[in-house]
Amino acid sequence: QKEVEQDPGPLSVPEGAIVSLNCTYSNSAFQYFMWYRQYSRKGPELLMYTYSSGNKEDGRFTAQVDKSSKYISLFIRDSQPSDSATYLCAMKYSSASKIIFGSGTRLSIRP
Amino acid sequence: DAGVIQSPRHEVTEMGQEVTLRCKPISGHNSLFWYRQTMMRGLELLIYFNNNVPIDDSGMPEDRFSAKMPNASFSTLKIQPSEPRDSAVYFCASSADLAELSYNEQFFGPGTRLTVL
Repeated sequence: QKEVEQDPGPLSVPEGAIVSLNCTYSNSAFQYFMWYRQYSRKGPELLMYTYSSGNKEDGRFTAQVDKSSKYISLFIRDSQPSDSATYLCAMKYSSASKIIFGSGTRLSIRP
Repeated sequence: DAGVIQSPRHEVTEMGQEVTLRCKPISGHNSLFWYRQTMMRGLELLIYFNNNVPIDDSGMPEDRFSAKMPNASFSTLKIQPSEPRDSAVYFCASSADLAELSYNEQFFGPGTRLTVL
């Protein structure tokens, strides 16, 4: 079993829809939870990170961490075609430890 | 700042040839990471350096892979001899060590797309 599980998709939704992306993990020692966005033929870029549990909001993006269920989510409101990309969840045990990435979910927003 | 710079952007080579990938981290960053991304295995950490010293190379697949960081502004990842299964996108990333509870964001380069025939 992988440490971090993520549905690869692809996921296709119409413009303006709310998108929900999710990951599950097996190790309760993870403390840092991140979402990266990767456009085609580009490197991943950090979208949001959360330390421990709770929610974090940044514009149209909301990240949620539920440590009791070992489940993290990224919500995108009012989705735009420019949001079309692969979204990778990622986790770390500590600020100095290596990042464990999910396999990524390919998202397409239809105009 | 130009961000993390990688070269070449694309490399096509034949099985058995030596391949050298290059990376220039963001100035002032003291950690450097080499990743490999494939459809089958996703994004995997190969090795990372802190202050030019290799800290964790447990992700290096086998002895054919080696990495060096001779100074703070340059690193190489070498594959010798290369095999078709090494075909992947190789990313370099760098970060600055901040306070203990801060998240040390890794900034990724554009990647090198390697094809071994």
